[in-house]
Amino acid sequence: DAGVTQSPTHLIKTRGQQVTLRCSPKSGHDTVSWYQQALGQGPQFIFQYYEEEERQRGNFPDRFSGHQFPNYSSELNVNALLLGDSALYLCASSPIDRNEVEQYFGPGTRLTVT
Amino acid sequence: AQSVTQLGSHVSVSEGALVLLRCNYSSSVPPYLFWYVQYPNQGLQLLLKYTTGATLVKGINGFEAEFKKSETSFHLTKPSAHMSDAAEYFCAVSDPNTGNQFYFGTGTSLTVIP
Repeated sequence: DAGVTQSPTHLIKTRGQQVTLRCSPKSGHDTVSWYQQALGQGPQFIFQYYEEEERQRGNFPDRFSGHQFPNYSSELNVNALLLGDSALYLCASSPIDRNEVEQYFGPGTRLTVT
Repeated sequence: AQSVTQLGSHVSVSEGALVLLRCNYSSSVPPYLFWYVQYPNQGLQLLLKYTTGATLVKGINGFEAEFKKSETSFHLTKPSAHMSDAAEYFCAVSDPNTGNQFYFGTGTSLTVIP
């Protein structure tokens, strides 16, 4: 049973460019959350998707947007990249069983903006 | 609003010594509490969680944590450190009413000295 998978593993972009990161949740999970982890910091919540809708959003600008597909996979899009967007982007999925409250994290995508 | 404070960004212990990583939280409601571990260049792995019931919870790899409501704490302990325990540890909270957004501390880097 595959866990949460993310692609790509690493990428390098230039300021002003746009980037798309992808996430496939763990089998049996229908909710996907995205987090940004800057170097030396804890993960910061970006937003969460459930039933193909953004259910909750953290304190991130509109440059950060997302999408969830019918198969529960998700994309994170960041427009007009800034140097400060360089970070590890983590995807987490949650089970359909609402009695399970933990989130399962993928390995992350390391984004470097130059 | 919820927040997490992890006292001590770096902790060093000798192999075989007690590990104690501190976590205090602020929450308007009794929260769900989690400890995650992150190894270099990897995502987060759940160590243990507290939702309701017994306040002493046991997790993987010999770790345990005790929820103390009066102290708003959820400290992580392990009786005997192993070299493989060297990693970054994150405490997190979520609101049981929504369960959507996880709030993470800034992390504690554990070094195990041989």
